[in-house]
Amino acid sequence: DAGVIQSPRHEVTEMGQEVTLRCKPISGHDYLFWYRQTMMRGLELLIYFNNNVPIDDSGMPEDRFSAKMPNASFSTLKIQPSEPRDSAVYFCASSRPGQGAEEQFFGPGTRLTVL
Amino acid sequence: AQSVTQLDSQVPVFEEAPVELRCNYSSSVSVYLFWYVQYPNQGLQLLLKYLSGSTLVKGINGFEAEFNKSQTSFHLRKPSVHISDTAEYFCAVSEWNTNAGKSTFGDGTTLTVKP
Repeated sequence: DAGVIQSPRHEVTEMGQEVTLRCKPISGHDYLFWYRQTMMRGLELLIYFNNNVPIDDSGMPEDRFSAKMPNASFSTLKIQPSEPRDSAVYFCASSRPGQGAEEQFFGPGTRLTVL
Repeated sequence: AQSVTQLDSQVPVFEEAPVELRCNYSSSVSVYLFWYVQYPNQGLQLLLKYLSGSTLVKGINGFEAEFNKSQTSFHLRKPSVHISDTAEYFCAVSEWNTNAGKSTFGDGTTLTVKP
């Protein structure tokens, strides 16, 4: 398996622009998570899905952030409009709890820079 | 609600010395416990996990951790570290059978191995 795939790996954009981050989870995994990592705030859970349904989006910073999971193999995190304080590394992770496989598998991350 | 406290934000150690990274957790129900490692510019990857059974858990790269229920701790140890162990280490907890897909992560401990 290729693992969790994220694209793009790096994104540089200007303030006010729309940014879309993409994630392909591991096949068969039914949980998908979006995290944000910064030096100041560490690793933050933004939102997670179970069977394509958002379960908890309480970590989404504000209405500028939205996430979708149209099917089991694809999810997007969108920021519109982007701001410099959104600069961070965004990770997607997936898991399939049960039968001894409770851990999350992380993608390589998308490094977002908003100028 | 569950929580995780990593007691040391930074741990410097010389090569071939032993190391212990400390993790305490809080939960009102039974838990699963994890240690993840993050190398520079990479995503998190699983080092080891405790689900049930033996309280001493062995993981990859010579690391091990011991689950202590009475002290609600899950400290990570390695008897002799290498330069290549320099990374950030995260402790995480999931509550058993409730929101089983979601983990709460600690703030991370930066391990720096010096020659």
